[in-house]
Amino acid sequence: QMQLQESGPGLVKPSETLSLTCTVSGGSVSRYYWSWIRQPPGKGLEWIGYIYYSGTTNYAPSLKSRVTISVDKSKNQVSLKLRSVTAADTALYYCARDFGDLWGQGTLVAVSS
Amino acid sequence: DIVMTQSPDSLAVSLGERATINCKSSQSVLYSSDNKNYLAWYQLKPGQPPKLLIYWASTRESGVPDRFSGSGSGTDFTLTISSLQAEDVTVYYCQQYYSTPYTFGQGTKLEIK
Repeated sequence: QMQLQESGPGLVKPSETLSLTCTVSGGSVSRYYWSWIRQPPGKGLEWIGYIYYSGTTNYAPSLKSRVTISVDKSKNQVSLKLRSVTAADTALYYCARDFGDLWGQGTLVAVSS
Repeated sequence: DIVMTQSPDSLAVSLGERATINCKSSQSVLYSSDNKNYLAWYQLKPGQPPKLLIYWASTRESGVPDRFSGSGSGTDFTLTISSLQAEDVTVYYCQQYYSTPYTFGQGTKLEIK
């Protein structure tokens, strides 16, 4: 049974780059679209973007200038980089398969000095 | 972007009674080539990742109790819980995956009356 697990620093300084990894177990990344979705504290869900295993990406326009999603088939991982972060990027970050039929547990990232 | 609007924002229902949550999209999410509505419903509980309940607007995810059902087409959709159980009290979101950026409703908080 496929499982997803996000990992990365829980605290990032303003203006720096948030970097998260999603490790896929029980299956291969080489079949699906992989999304990143976030939920700021007390707010709703926001789709960040997705990557297809071939490398094709699609990002939310509001974040497009700061986001890079990549896939490492050799490690069965999907990564998220969000540059120039501010306090508004503080959120619970999830990786998900396709539009969201399977989710990781999520990882909380706080942006603070 | 397709705007998803849920109603009501909060809902109080007695245990054993029917709960109905509505979701309206700003444009149709029905794809004519496959006649599918690209609409999903999720349940969010604190400390847990979102749980997919319904996809293609009316297809129940494996393992989801049959008291949960989805209906609607085009721009208007409904999630119905036929007989509210205590464990159903939480927040529900609809999501369109018809076009990017994938977007979510603002959420509906379901409580016990």
